[in-house]
Amino acid sequence: QVQLLESGPGLVKTSETLSLTCTVSGGSISPYYWSWIRRLPGKGLEWIGYIYYSGTTNYNPSLKSRVTISVDTSKNHFSLTVTSVTAADTAIYYCARGKTTWTVWGQGTLVTVSS
Amino acid sequence: EIVLTQSPGTLSLSPGERATLSCRASQSVNSSSLAWYQEKPGQSSRLLIYGASNRATGIPDRFSGSGSGTDFTLTISRLEPEDFAVYYCQQYGSSPWTFGQGTKVDVK
Repeated sequence: QVQLLESGPGLVKTSETLSLTCTVSGGSISPYYWSWIRRLPGKGLEWIGYIYYSGTTNYNPSLKSRVTISVDTSKNHFSLTVTSVTAADTAIYYCARGKTTWTVWGQGTLVTVSS
Repeated sequence: EIVLTQSPGTLSLSPGERATLSCRASQSVNSSSLAWYQEKPGQSSRLLIYGASNRATGIPDRFSGSGSGTDFTLTISRLEPEDFAVYYCQQYGSSPWTFGQGTKVDVK
């Protein structure tokens, strides 16, 4: 069965770039859509964006200017970068399979933004 | 963006009882594009319902979804011990997709 594992630094400095990778195991990254979602403390879940295995993307307008999602089919993983982070980007970041609803989720990784 | 408001915040029930969870949208959700998820500590989220009333693969029939427009309901007909969890609604009819704040179903 397909499993997702998020990886990346747990601590990022204010104004720097957050980078996370989601590795897909037990299945292929194609021909699916893949998403990033985050849980903000005290504010609930927020959809960040999705990517198709071919590279087509769509982002939440509230984050669009700072977010990039990319895919590497040869490594069976996809990635998230968020630039110019602030404390408001502190969250648990989840990767998931799907475009509009998500049937497979990672366990999530906590990213703290601090100066 | 569409704001989803779930009620109640916490529902305290006993095993075997019926649970009724509400999700209200700030504007009509296109094509009943509403999903429900279950979340338990230490586990990945689980898709229960999509399209307002369609059970996802492998979901027991004690879970049912209903509603349209701005009012949606998740019903668990008879609570099993493993159903005590947090439940979220999510709309995908209008971008950006958004979530409700969750309803916790705990043991009375």
